[in-house]
Amino acid sequence: NAGVTQTPKFQVLKTGQSMTLQCAQDMNHNSMYWYRQDPGMGLRLIYYSASEGTTDKGEVPNGYNVSRLNKREFSLRLESAAPSQTSVYFCASSISGSHETQYFGPGTRLLVL
Amino acid sequence: DAKTTQPTSMDCAEGRAANLPCNHSTISGNEYVYWYRQIHSQGPQYIIHGLKNNETNEMASLIITEDRKSSTLILPHATLRDTAVYYCIVRAPRILASKLTFGTGTRLQVTL
Repeated sequence: NAGVTQTPKFQVLKTGQSMTLQCAQDMNHNSMYWYRQDPGMGLRLIYYSASEGTTDKGEVPNGYNVSRLNKREFSLRLESAAPSQTSVYFCASSISGSHETQYFGPGTRLLVL
Repeated sequence: DAKTTQPTSMDCAEGRAANLPCNHSTISGNEYVYWYRQIHSQGPQYIIHGLKNNETNEMASLIITEDRKSSTLILPHATLRDTAVYYCIVRAPRILASKLTFGTGTRLQVTL
């Protein structure tokens, strides 16, 4: 059981470039989430997917898009990266929305120059 | 979700029990107490949760006071690998998925 996996681990982008962060879970969880964590700050929810086929905005969705490809995979896309999107991105999953024991991936460190 | 208050930092000697307190005086009857931790540069890790009764798992024990206004996370034999920021989160079950709100947490430093 790998749990929640994320790729890539680290990425450097130039302003205006695009990229997709990948997340997959093998725990048969229904709900998946994308958070960002800026240095010295707490986690902020970007987007989440309560179940396969649904996605909803979190606190800070601007500049991002998501795709719930299937039950296992939830990707986060930056269409035109900005320096303000420099952050560590964490993907998480939970069995359902009700009990919110979320399991997190190792994170993707993104630097936008 | 009820607000929580935790000390900013704590130290613990390796091999000793680490007792991390959390105040949640406005907790409602259906709200659970969750504990997560975040080791440097890693994703947050779920530790334990409880409603009223004390709980224990392979990682830790959770002691909730009878009035449920505070709780203590106990790491029975702290190791250097337990050095992390520990977050106490109080929230009610949701029908739909929603965010976890991590406060500032307690930075636990385990020393030799």
